[in-house]
Amino acid sequence: GAVVSQHPSRVICKSGTSVKIECRSLDFQATTMFWYRQFPKKSLMLMATSNEGSKATYEQGVEKDKFLINHASLTLSTLTVTSAHPEDSSFYICSAPGQGTRNEQFFGPGTRLTVL
Amino acid sequence: AQSVAQPEDQVNVAEGNPLTVKCTYSVSGNPYLFWYVQYPNRGLQFLLKYITGDNLVKGSYGFEAEFNKSQTSFHLKKPSALVSDSALYFCAVRGYGSSNTGKLIFGQGTTLQVKP
Repeated sequence: GAVVSQHPSRVICKSGTSVKIECRSLDFQATTMFWYRQFPKKSLMLMATSNEGSKATYEQGVEKDKFLINHASLTLSTLTVTSAHPEDSSFYICSAPGQGTRNEQFFGPGTRLTVL
Repeated sequence: AQSVAQPEDQVNVAEGNPLTVKCTYSVSGNPYLFWYVQYPNRGLQFLLKYITGDNLVKGSYGFEAEFNKSQTSFHLKKPSALVSDSALYFCAVRGYGSSNTGKLIFGQGTTLQVKP
């Protein structure tokens, strides 16, 4: 089956620094990837849609300059949390849709970000 | 508006007993419905989907779900629960419309606790 990886799996950083999270589709190409944020025991909140070769589409209320998304290739999307603050601490998950319009999305294992 | 509701925050069941995790949806067209499971600090794993065809869908790990159009429901079921089934379960519907294509709209999540 299709595999999506994320790196790093967990990161701890100081307030004010920037953190980059990578999302890769390992055995398939993804022109679109999705970035979610999840709070403890809560549902996933879609942050943005990452589009290969064009700008990301952000959901309402998500700061574009805060959460920079770059879809560098057909297998890689990155999310950079700029000037991180403790309230940015969360579990970030990416996903990529399988081939065809009806297939399920394949999710990465998630990245636990802790901002001190 | 498209939405998914999981009315129960938590479901408790004894090992060996049947389990049901409820989900209702609201979409403007034919629904594409999904169930995912999430173990602690992990990404989401696909369980099953309904696109078209038989209303009873069988998925991974012995789970099944029944699509009921008149009740707009897609409840997840398993005849005999295992302790290892304890996890967070999400129901999701695929978004419609050009701005929502490919997006998954998630329910709030239901924690399943199976006790020995």
